[in-house]
Amino acid sequence: QQQVKQSPQSLIVQKGGISIINCAYENTAFDYFPWYQQFPGKGPALLIAIRPDVSEKKEGRFTISFNKSAKQFSLHIMDSQPGDSATYFCAATYSNSGYSTLTFGKGTMLLVSP
Amino acid sequence: GAVVSQHPSRVICKSGTSVKIECRSLDFQATTMFWYRQFPKQSLMLMATSNEGSKATYEQGVEKDKFLINHASLTLSTLTVTSAHPEDSSFYICSAPPTPGANVLTFGAGSRLTVL
Repeated sequence: QQQVKQSPQSLIVQKGGISIINCAYENTAFDYFPWYQQFPGKGPALLIAIRPDVSEKKEGRFTISFNKSAKQFSLHIMDSQPGDSATYFCAATYSNSGYSTLTFGKGTMLLVSP
Repeated sequence: GAVVSQHPSRVICKSGTSVKIECRSLDFQATTMFWYRQFPKQSLMLMATSNEGSKATYEQGVEKDKFLINHASLTLSTLTVTSAHPEDSSFYICSAPPTPGANVLTFGAGSRLTVL
C-alpha cells in the first residue's frame, strides 16, 4: 500500500504566525506533490503543488519545501489568517497508463485563532 | 478553470432505498472521473474510477453491486448507492482531471448522504 504520512493531525496557530504541515512518502516513483485545502462541507481545492526537481515553490503566503533525499515535503503558511482555517491534505501521484491517481495524507486540521 | 459540479449537495434517505449522485464536468470533457468517500475528520478514500463508455474500476473492499457507477457521457458520471444503510452515510466527492492525463484533480463540492 502506497502511503503518504502527514503530521500533525491538528494545529492551532495564532493570527500572523507560521503554520507548518509535514508529509513523508515512501514510493520514489511519485513525481508530483500537490496540497489540497478543504473547508467544512466542501470538496478539496488544489492549493499549490511541486515536482521533485524543485526544492521550494512559493505562491503568495504558501510555500512548499521539498527534500527528495529524505522523501519529505512540507507546507508553510506565512502570516496565517483566520480564513486559512481548514483541513489541509498533502498528496502524491505519478502518471501511469494515461491517467493519474492521488494518494492522500490523512489531513491536518488547521485553526488560526484571531 | 475546470469546474466539477455535484448534485445533490445533501440528501437524506430511508434505509433500504437507493440514492443517485450526479457528477458533471461543466466546461471540459472527462473520460475518467474518480469517486471518493470521506468520513468525518478523515482523509479521502478512493472508491472507484469511472471510465466513460466502459465499466468502472473499483478499489479493493468497495462493493461494486452496492455502489453502482455509470459514466454514460464525457461530462457525466453517476454514483448510485443501492439499498442504502446507515453505515453508508458519508461525504461522497467526485473528481476529474481537468485535462487528459493531468497530475491533479478538480474536485466537486461533495454530496452529504445521511441514511436514516
